[in-house]
Amino acid sequence: DAMVIQNPRYQVTQFGKPVTLSCSQTLNHNVMYWYQQKSSQAPKLLFHYYDKDFNNEADTPDNFQSRRPNTSFCFLDIRSPGLGDAAMYLCATSRGHGTFTGETQYFGPGTRLLVL
Amino acid sequence: AQKITQTQPGMFVQEKEAVTLDCTYDTSDPSYGLFWYKQPSSGEMIFLIYQGSYDQQNATEGRYSLNFQKARKSANLVISASQLGDSAMYFCAMREARGAQKLVFGQGTRLTINP
Repeated sequence: DAMVIQNPRYQVTQFGKPVTLSCSQTLNHNVMYWYQQKSSQAPKLLFHYYDKDFNNEADTPDNFQSRRPNTSFCFLDIRSPGLGDAAMYLCATSRGHGTFTGETQYFGPGTRLLVL
Repeated sequence: AQKITQTQPGMFVQEKEAVTLDCTYDTSDPSYGLFWYKQPSSGEMIFLIYQGSYDQQNATEGRYSLNFQKARKSANLVISASQLGDSAMYFCAMREARGAQKLVFGQGTRLTINP
């Protein structure tokens, strides 16, 4: 089945130690997104790639970076995790049909990050 | 700026009853789409239903229907014959045509189905 895969499902890191979360997709979608979701809150968009074009949200801290080496994979790098970065990180994809409002985003299962 | 409001932080419903989850929105774009997602405790966001701003009829998907009242800017989700497996967080979201692929979420409603 076509899907969005995130690894690992749970990640424990130390304060200040760089960590990378990965996302892969078999949907062949043009757009890949990274969201941060803290407990009992709505997902917050960090950035997205439209093909190779990177689009950063204005309020995303510089501590968060992303790479998309090819269509299938996208990585979230947290350079120096702080305690406030503990959250669920959700990856999503969509086809990328311009202004079509009905374009659905498909989400992976998420990675829960714990910072000690 | 687009905005989504879900005013019900939590709801408790008896199994087999119908439930309505409220969502109001605000946008100046005449072309937009409204989505509902379900998020179980496992964390994955599951797409449920979509309604376009120009759609004449309310969207339906199995037990899910969307009560779209454009003049009131509301897009309530109705779940018929609720099941224990419906217990989850539910998010309303909107995408504007000019929104550069972005989906903006409401704060969510936690639905609990009691046996």
